[in-house]
Amino acid sequence: GENVEQHPSTLSVQEGDSAVIKCTYSDSASNYFPWYKQELGKGPQLIIDIRSNVGEKKDQRIAVTLNKTAKHFSLHITETQPEDSAVYFCAAEAGGSYIPTFGRGTSLIVHP
Amino acid sequence: DGGITQSPKYLFRKEGQNVTLSCEQNLNHDAMYWYRQDPGQGLRLIYYSQIVNDFQKGDIAEGYSVSREKKESFPLTVTSAQKNPTAFYLCASSIIFGTGSSYNEQFFGPGTRLTVL
Repeated sequence: GENVEQHPSTLSVQEGDSAVIKCTYSDSASNYFPWYKQELGKGPQLIIDIRSNVGEKKDQRIAVTLNKTAKHFSLHITETQPEDSAVYFCAAEAGGSYIPTFGRGTSLIVHP
Repeated sequence: DGGITQSPKYLFRKEGQNVTLSCEQNLNHDAMYWYRQDPGQGLRLIYYSQIVNDFQKGDIAEGYSVSREKKESFPLTVTSAQKNPTAFYLCASSIIFGTGSSYNEQFFGPGTRLTVL
């Protein structure tokens, strides 16, 4: 089955800095890569996703890149703000399965 | 207000007791999922259901049971056979049929924190 590795497990940055979270996957059949943000005491919420037919997608301060050859994808957050502090999960999913495999999560702490 | 609800938010049980966690959605989603979240472990799939009256085991189904008698409801029972049940449990749902897409966002509930005393 699919295996998703996520690094780092904890990331601490100063407000205004950029943050990068990296994930690798093992199953070449995976072609959908969502990212979820989980705030304290809440369920995760989708913030951005990318499909295998594109290499990069951007939404305001958030961007995701995908390298299918190397089987890795990354989340980039620019100009971080304290409200970006949360746990972020990457996931990989084969189209049509509707079953994502999640990484272990990254706890992002943005210091004011 | 459309959404997915889980109850209760906190649940305590004694060892050896079964307990049922509730999950309801009014989004008319086809699929529903149960995940277990432990610190540093990410989200691990317990069970999922893509259609009423049908469900499949996930990666860590042992000691758990589910039912899907109605489209909007997917309760999870944590049985006494589950050796380490203390965890945060998340329910999710997603559309599968009729969108023309092979990839669909999962919508999560707020979770239930279960503690075994």
